[in-house]
Amino acid sequence: AQSVAQPEDQVNVAEGNPLTVKCTYSVSGNPYLFWYVQYPNRGLQFLLKYITGDNLVKGSYGFEAEFNKSQTSFHLKKPSALVSDSALYFCAVRGLNTDKLIFGTGTRLQVFP
Amino acid sequence: ETGVTQSPTHLIKTRGQQVTLRCSSQSGHNTVSWYQQALGQGPQFIFQYYREEENGRGNFPPRFSGLQFPNYSSELNVNALELDDSALYLCASSPGRPAYEQYFGPGTRLTVT
Repeated sequence: AQSVAQPEDQVNVAEGNPLTVKCTYSVSGNPYLFWYVQYPNRGLQFLLKYITGDNLVKGSYGFEAEFNKSQTSFHLKKPSALVSDSALYFCAVRGLNTDKLIFGTGTRLQVFP
Repeated sequence: ETGVTQSPTHLIKTRGQQVTLRCSSQSGHNTVSWYQQALGQGPQFIFQYYREEENGRGNFPPRFSGLQFPNYSSELNVNALELDDSALYLCASSPGRPAYEQYFGPGTRLTVT
């Protein structure tokens, strides 16, 4: 069965420092992976996806993610964090032969000024 | 371009009652998916509609039902509400299938007392 895991409930980083939010996956077949961000009392905003191709995927708001097949990971990264990046981040994988997204439990990112 | 909209924003219902939530998909999108996000958890897939037909269902009982209309807007109906149905209900639309990118609305917060 398709699944993702986000091992950290919260990540704290100082503004201007690089950030990483971790995600590992378990899939049958090729993985279709996604990152979404959720601000308080808001829906989810799409950041980026990996379907195929380059292992480094660039997305919205300066975020990028690195697909690593050998480590079954899809970590979200940003070179320089902003206070406004503070939010809840979800990693997701597409279900096998379906369009449903299977989400991780989320990681709260806190960027301190 | 108008994004995904949902109504109402908030709703309070009593156990045993029925509720209807509404979603207007993004312009040009003919696929709508519904998710339930309980407090502190990632979204869980309820079902998807594609061209007015249900196209995939998650692990939710039959009292969760839906419709998609010719203009691709959608409704989620929940009968015999239970306390555990209290959650944020998210609608996401996609420009067809496969739905590699899903664009979420702001959600409807349902509280069952």
